[in-house]
Amino acid sequence: GAGVSQSPSNKVTEKGKDVELRCDPISGHTALYWYRQSLGQGLEFLIYFQGNSAPDKSGLPSDRFSAERTGGSVSTLTIQRTQQEDSAVYLCASSLPGQISVYGYTFGSGTRLTVV
Amino acid sequence: DQQVKQNSPSLSVQEGRISILNCDYTNSMFDYFLWYKKYPAEGPTFLISISSIKDKNEDGRFTVFLNKSAKHLSLHIVPSQPGDSAVYFCAASAVSNYQLIWGAGTKLIIKP
Repeated sequence: GAGVSQSPSNKVTEKGKDVELRCDPISGHTALYWYRQSLGQGLEFLIYFQGNSAPDKSGLPSDRFSAERTGGSVSTLTIQRTQQEDSAVYLCASSLPGQISVYGYTFGSGTRLTVV
Repeated sequence: DQQVKQNSPSLSVQEGRISILNCDYTNSMFDYFLWYKKYPAEGPTFLISISSIKDKNEDGRFTVFLNKSAKHLSLHIVPSQPGDSAVYFCAASAVSNYQLIWGAGTKLIIKP
């Protein structure tokens, strides 16, 4: 597609339920990132995928968070047993490797997750 | 420990005047700095970047200045327009790293 696509755009869930957030990166972009932005905060790195390499999961806040990327394209971020502190905007971004420093990433519009 | 800091949560500027957004960093290994702009309900979009070997980069109404000795950069918008009202994020990277380190953002409001 022309841009990074994320779905759903909004998700309200009850505390304790599991949620899945989807990201469809720009075709050909081998690097894919998940970030989250809590209210009034900057962007918090969650996880990074690059091609077929093992992902960098160092930003995942707990073992309730997991992500996968199938076929080097679409990625799913799963949050199990959601807590209220998980409420945030979850942003996906993609890029071509080697261009990050100069051009940064291309972001999707995000999924606003509200845990009630 | 915040490696990239944007100390002003918000800034209000009259239309037509200059907007100056500031960013400080602590890590001397950073060698690229980027500014992103974010509208509500949209993802951040890339605006302009600067390499640490430069002290200025200009693109139309947008100019980024880098002061390495002070570990400080600023984004100047001249003249400011209503469409510039958005949240501006400063980000930094080291070539050896694939991550961008982000500031908390500054909300710019352009008054008519």
